[in-house]
Amino acid sequence: SYELTQPPSVSMSPGQTARITCSGDALPKQYAYWYQQKPGQAPVLVIYKDIKRPSGIPERFSGSSSGTTVTLTISGVQAEDEADYYCQSADSSGTYVFGAGTKVTVL
Amino acid sequence: QITLKESGPTLVKPTQTLTLTCTFSGFSLSTRGVGVGWIRQPPGKALEWLALIYWDDDKRYSPSLKSRLTITKDTSKNQVVLTMTNMVPVDTATYYCAHSPEDGGLTDYYFDLWGRGTLVTVSS
Repeated sequence: SYELTQPPSVSMSPGQTARITCSGDALPKQYAYWYQQKPGQAPVLVIYKDIKRPSGIPERFSGSSSGTTVTLTISGVQAEDEADYYCQSADSSGTYVFGAGTKVTVL
Repeated sequence: QITLKESGPTLVKPTQTLTLTCTFSGFSLSTRGVGVGWIRQPPGKALEWLALIYWDDDKRYSPSLKSRLTITKDTSKNQVVLTMTNMVPVDTATYYCAHSPEDGGLTDYYFDLWGRGTLVTVSS
């Protein structure tokens, strides 16, 4: 079955840049999406179609894609960005898949 | 404004069938390209996609759970129902329903808005 691979955790100090990667064989052909989830809350979409940002999402969140890897970048990370981040994609048959999630800690 | 809300039992016994209802507003599931999906999350663990139903009644299921899942829609009631058979303790999780948007009448394979989720515990 199709899998997306994320690092378990990333930590940085406020103001630094956080980069979270997500790797999958189908990513060159399928879009990737990113969700932020804070404790006790439902996930929130922060990036769609690899690079697009929904309205209301701060500009410090950006996405990029290169080959089989997509990256979520948080530029100038803030304490409020501490959360779990999940990448998601779909295979050619329309089956959705989530990555295992990356815990972002702001030191 | 799109909203979704999950409802169903908070506790089910092993071997029982779980039935969850997603009641939504702010969109129609008869709009070309739109879908509603179910995703679950065991306590402290990752999100897991379960199923999705589209405006044209096309259905998609997680390959690993396909034999246990059924998803249906009632467009007139703005509801989507998920049933999962033969529940076991590892199925304990928060279950979310979410809206899958359309883009120019085409399906987009993601979830732009989620319900708050409902915690289902499987225990005797």
